[in-house]
Amino acid sequence: EAQVTQNPRYLITVTGKKLTVTCSQNMNHEYMSWYRQDPGLGLRQIYYSMNVEVTDKGDVPEGYKVSRKEKRNFPLILESPSPNQTSLYFCASSSGLINTEAFFGQGTRLTVV
Amino acid sequence: AQRVTQPEKLLSVFKGAPVELKCNYSYSGSPELFWYVQYSRQRLQLLLRHISRESIKGFTADLNKGETSFHLKKPFAQEEDSAMYYCALRGTDSWGKLQFGAGTQVVVTP
Repeated sequence: EAQVTQNPRYLITVTGKKLTVTCSQNMNHEYMSWYRQDPGLGLRQIYYSMNVEVTDKGDVPEGYKVSRKEKRNFPLILESPSPNQTSLYFCASSSGLINTEAFFGQGTRLTVV
Repeated sequence: AQRVTQPEKLLSVFKGAPVELKCNYSYSGSPELFWYVQYSRQRLQLLLRHISRESIKGFTADLNKGETSFHLKKPFAQEEDSAMYYCALRGTDSWGKLQFGAGTQVVVTP
């Protein structure tokens, strides 16, 4: 089944403790991105990647890092999480930049205390 | 700059009644417009996109470039339509980024 898989689904952590949220897609998509979803704000893009080793900032990149060492994986790294990063995170992938559908992962609900 | 506005946070309708979700956008070029739906505790999934001009689950949406709108409509709402709906825009110069509206929660009551 074609899909985007995120792990973990739920995570509670403490301020300052590094964490990684994994994202993997099995559709051979070149384009991948991370969004955070907050009430009243919709989804906002954090980082995106157009291919292996090509990443760039989205609208809200502060406090996040990403890497794209393999085409299928696009992990989101929080080096020193803070409470304002408590949110619902979605990974997405698509086969191109235009005229393509974006496929989303199941979401990761992160709470930083 | 690109912006998507969904003015209604919550729409409550009765089963069988028509439902219309408003979406207005701001973009200087020719954008792609989408509607995504998120059912309770599920991932976002594509409902409609303007280039396909199709009807999915009874929903339709027409791109009105003059009014810069992409409203979503369904003539007879069903209980299974209860969900969060997001309008999204992708610009030709946005490197694939989807710009989402704040979302509209639809509740269909029997």
